[in-house]
Amino acid sequence: QLQLQESGPGLVKPSETLSLTCIVSGGAISSGNYYWGWIRQAPGMGLEWIGNIFYSGSSYYNPSLQSRVTISVDMSKNQLSLNLRSVTAADTAVYYCARGRPGNDNFWSGPWDVWGKGTTVTVAS
Amino acid sequence: SYVLTQSPSVSVAPGQTATITCGGSNIGSKSVHWYQHKPGQAPLLVVHDDSDRPSGIPERFSGSNSGNTATLTISSVEAGDEADYHCQVWGGSYDLSYIFGPGTKVTVL
Repeated sequence: QLQLQESGPGLVKPSETLSLTCIVSGGAISSGNYYWGWIRQAPGMGLEWIGNIFYSGSSYYNPSLQSRVTISVDMSKNQLSLNLRSVTAADTAVYYCARGRPGNDNFWSGPWDVWGKGTTVTVAS
Repeated sequence: SYVLTQSPSVSVAPGQTATITCGGSNIGSKSVHWYQHKPGQAPLLVVHDDSDRPSGIPERFSGSNSGNTATLTISSVEAGDEADYHCQVWGGSYDLSYIFGPGTKVTVL
């Protein structure tokens, strides 16, 4: 059974870089049948998609975050990573990694079918 | 950019039916996915591609999508169904974004 586990520092100072890791177990991140992504939920807010990556390294990001975000995969460790630069209090959120499944009409249009439990990140000095 | 709207909350008695709507411009032309999200837990996919259920999701969960509204229906509601429910669509080839609705809190009375 596929499981995703996020980890990283719970507290990040403003202007610094938030770095999170998601370990994938029970399945290979290199499977060409899926893609991987990060999604967050700020306190009292809805879910916000951060970005996607395919095992080959192809990625795309939420335009509102694109200038500050990098998502990468390490197939040797079966994990994906998130770097979010120049954080502010507005980046305080629970961060989830998730697996995306191909959609019926487009590879990228499918649902996020497996999620991690999330990790809470607070941006504060 | 594409926007999804949801009612903030729905209250329902056990055994009754909960109806959760997700509004968007011509949403009927998109594939809609629904997630159940309980506090402290991972979101759970309950309906995908408008009306398909993943393996293990009870038949009580059903979905439809037409015009400007997608609907998630939970029949014979149980206490364990109390959660936030989020709809989600893909923006399309020209808007490579994943858009989530703000969520509807389902309270079981």
